[in-house]
Amino acid sequence: ELKVEQNPLFLSMQEGKNYTIYCNYSTTSDRLYWYRQDPGKSLESLFVLLSNGAVKQEGRLMASLDTKARLSTLHITAAVHDLSATYFCAVDNTGANSKLTFGKGITLSVRP
Amino acid sequence: DVKVTQSSRYLVKRTGEKVFLECVQDMDHENMFWYRQDPGLGLRLIYFSYDVKMKEKGDIPEGYSVSREKKERFSLILESASTNQTSMYLCASSSPWEREGADTQYFGPGTRLTVL
Repeated sequence: ELKVEQNPLFLSMQEGKNYTIYCNYSTTSDRLYWYRQDPGKSLESLFVLLSNGAVKQEGRLMASLDTKARLSTLHITAAVHDLSATYFCAVDNTGANSKLTFGKGITLSVRP
Repeated sequence: DVKVTQSSRYLVKRTGEKVFLECVQDMDHENMFWYRQDPGLGLRLIYFSYDVKMKEKGDIPEGYSVSREKKERFSLILESASTNQTSMYLCASSSPWEREGADTQYFGPGTRLTVL
């Protein structure tokens, strides 16, 4: 059974500093997705990582995938308040009708 | 842009009532999913469908059923609502990997259901 773990579950960040959050998964997969959820809102797709070594960047966020380590990282550069949200990673159950298994999410809060 | 809509943003029902949650997508996606989201538990898959009239159980199907009569519409049914079904319900859709090269799921705005 595929398990997806995210840590930490909550992170208080100081504005202007850099941080990294992690997503580990338990079985072989080379497809990983990051989503963002603002309070009271739905999930929005952020990044799609489809191979070992894939790196995607959008603004202050950079996501990477190491399929051998079964690990994805989301790096935040110079945190700003607008990045406060919950971030989910999801892993493809390859061959299982496009099912994704989601982590429990990491809630980021950026303080001045 | 992909658009996934859900019939209600907020819904209040009484224990024992039959509840219908509707989801419609406008991007001709084959795959559709129903999740529930609870604090500390993340997203849990209830049912999914990869074609009209096809359905498969997810991780927590008990107490729920689904219907997919048309490609664009996927309904979640609570046959007899109970208080432990109070939750946020999220619908999502996607295209098969073979068509898009990815399984990105696009989510609707969610329905917050309260069962009294």
